[in-house]
Amino acid sequence: DAGVIQSPRHEVTEMGQEVTLRCKPISGHDYLFWYRQTMMRGLELLIYFNNNVPIDDSGMPEDRFSAKMPNASFSTLKIQPSEPRDSAVYFCASSPPPGSYEQYFGPGTRLTVT
Amino acid sequence: SQQGEEDPQALSIQEGENATMNCSYKTSINNLQWYRQNSGRGLVHLILIRSNEREKHSGRLRVTLDTSKKSSSLLITASRAADTASYFCATDPNTGNQFYFGTGTSLTVIP
Repeated sequence: DAGVIQSPRHEVTEMGQEVTLRCKPISGHDYLFWYRQTMMRGLELLIYFNNNVPIDDSGMPEDRFSAKMPNASFSTLKIQPSEPRDSAVYFCASSPPPGSYEQYFGPGTRLTVT
Repeated sequence: SQQGEEDPQALSIQEGENATMNCSYKTSINNLQWYRQNSGRGLVHLILIRSNEREKHSGRLRVTLDTSKKSSSLLITASRAADTASYFCATDPNTGNQFYFGTGTSLTVIP
């Protein structure tokens, strides 16, 4: 298995632009998580899905952030409009059905908003 | 915040020595996990300990859990340069599958 795949690996954009981050979870995993990591705030859980349904989005910082999971093999995290304070590394992780709890992380997308 | 806190924030040891990291959390939990993150990479799961367990081993890793003190420790024995990484604890205070990560301990093992 290729593991969790994220794209792009690096994104540099200007303030006000729309940014879309993509994630392909490991096949067969029922849970998908989006995290944001910064030096100041550490690793923050933004949202997670179970069987493609958003379960908890209380970590999404603002309405500028949205996430979708149209099918079991694809999820997006969108920021519109982007701001410099959104600069961070965004991780996607997937997890098997309940009982395992182990999360498999992707390599992350480093976002820089200028 | 539901995040745990690791202590120390940074740790530097010689190869072959043991490394101990601690994690404190605020609310009751069901499970606690430890993850490793190498520079520029995603997190990698190391070990999970359930709330009804007190100690768990995996290779050179030993994890303890004291639910009365709301704390856990990760011991890496006979450290190697390849153990250089950041280590995070993660707790699940709810019945769902979401885990909240601590602030991490940066470990440097000097060859």
